[in-house]
Amino acid sequence: AQKITQTQPGMFVQEKEAVTLDCTYDTSDPSYGLFWYKQPSSGEMIFLIYQGSYDQQNATEGRYSLNFQKARKSANLVISASQLGDSAMYFCAMRGIYNQGGKLIFGQGTELSVKP
Amino acid sequence: DGGITQSPKYLFRKEGQNVTLSCEQNLNHDAMYWYRQDPGQGLRLIYYSQIVNDFQKGDIAEGYSVSREKKESFPLTVTSAQKNPTAFYLCASGIGGGAYNEQFFGPGTRLTVL
Repeated sequence: AQKITQTQPGMFVQEKEAVTLDCTYDTSDPSYGLFWYKQPSSGEMIFLIYQGSYDQQNATEGRYSLNFQKARKSANLVISASQLGDSAMYFCAMRGIYNQGGKLIFGQGTELSVKP
Repeated sequence: DGGITQSPKYLFRKEGQNVTLSCEQNLNHDAMYWYRQDPGQGLRLIYYSQIVNDFQKGDIAEGYSVSREKKESFPLTVTSAQKNPTAFYLCASGIGGGAYNEQFFGPGTRLTVL
């Protein structure tokens, strides 16, 4: 069975500093994708970044980067230069090549609070 | 603009009533999904559809029903058989299976049972 674990229920970061949100995963699928979504208080899920299991380089999207360590089964999200608007819930998700209908498996989420 | 719309944003239901949540997309995606989110939790899959007139149960389908008569639309009915329906419901769409395709989400419907 697939599983995503986010061990940090809540995190605080000072504005303009970098922060790392942890994510570990478990799967037996030979090929899979890892995703990070942001959920502000309004509830919508906003896609941030994607990493494929066969990608050689870590993914980056603007201020977001994904620290992918395949042997350790970790896919941590790094947000550089935090902004007040980054305060939200962050979810790590996974999709294996054999996933039922292509469904995403989500972690429990980490609530990030950015302090001015 | 392309995207996913869900309505209503807030929905109140009395015990024993069926309610239907709307989900429409104009992204021309084949696959559509319904997820449920409980407070402090991640999302769990209720139903999914990979093609018109076909849909499959997800992990928590009991007490829910869906239809997929048009590519753009995937309504979810929460029936009276669902024991604990109060939750946040998110609809998503994507171009299909495989490990690499992201899903796009709608703004969600918050259902409260009175």
